Amino acid sequence: GESVGLHLPTLSVQEGDNSIINCAYSNSASDYFIWYKQESGKGPQFIIDIRSNMDKRQGQRVTVLLNKTVKHLSLQIAATQPGDSAVYFCAERGEDSSYKLIFGSGTRLLVRP
Amino acid sequence: GAVVSQHPSRVICKSGTSVKIECRSLDFQATTMFWYRQFPKKSLMLMATSNEGSKATYEQGVEKDKFLINHASLTLSTLTVTSAHPEDSSFYICSASLGVEQFFGPGTRLTVL
Repeated sequence: GESVGLHLPTLSVQEGDNSIINCAYSNSASDYFIWYKQESGKGPQFIIDIRSNMDKRQGQRVTVLLNKTVKHLSLQIAATQPGDSAVYFCAERGEDSSYKLIFGSGTRLLVRP
Repeated sequence: GAVVSQHPSRVICKSGTSVKIECRSLDFQATTMFWYRQFPKKSLMLMATSNEGSKATYEQGVEKDKFLINHASLTLSTLTVTSAHPEDSSFYICSASLGVEQFFGPGTRLTVL
């Protein structure tokens, strides 16, 4: 079946360091992946996305890497700031045409001052 | 742009009553909206896919008679939790799709006493 999971439930980093959040997915037919940030008591906030025909995509301070060979997705945050503290979810679009998203279990990022 | 609102943001109700949650796309028309449920420290679980003018498609295990969904216009979908019980207490989040992207609302915290 389809599933998306994360390797680390909690990640603690020093302010200013780079953060790497990982995600594994099982559906090799998925063609679209998204990273979301969720702060406590709020809805998910879009960070960055990537299509399956790409290996890497960069945004402002964030980079998403996609390794289709091992079905692995990662989010890199450069110069992590206290405002980056949140739970991060990866999501993949299912193989049907409904645009449904399948969410991973989430990683909590804690930024130490 | 692409703002999604939810109302109310927080609701407390007595067991046995029904609660309606509204999801609105404020600056775009969304043919498809999604309803998610999120338990504390857990990921988002898709409940149903709501298409304007047609019946919602419920995920396996979600009771359609308990979670009534109405999508009367391209900018409004409602979720009604009928005969609510304490186990229905949760964080309910909607999203609206614009093409392949989904934009999430801020969520509604439901507490059933």
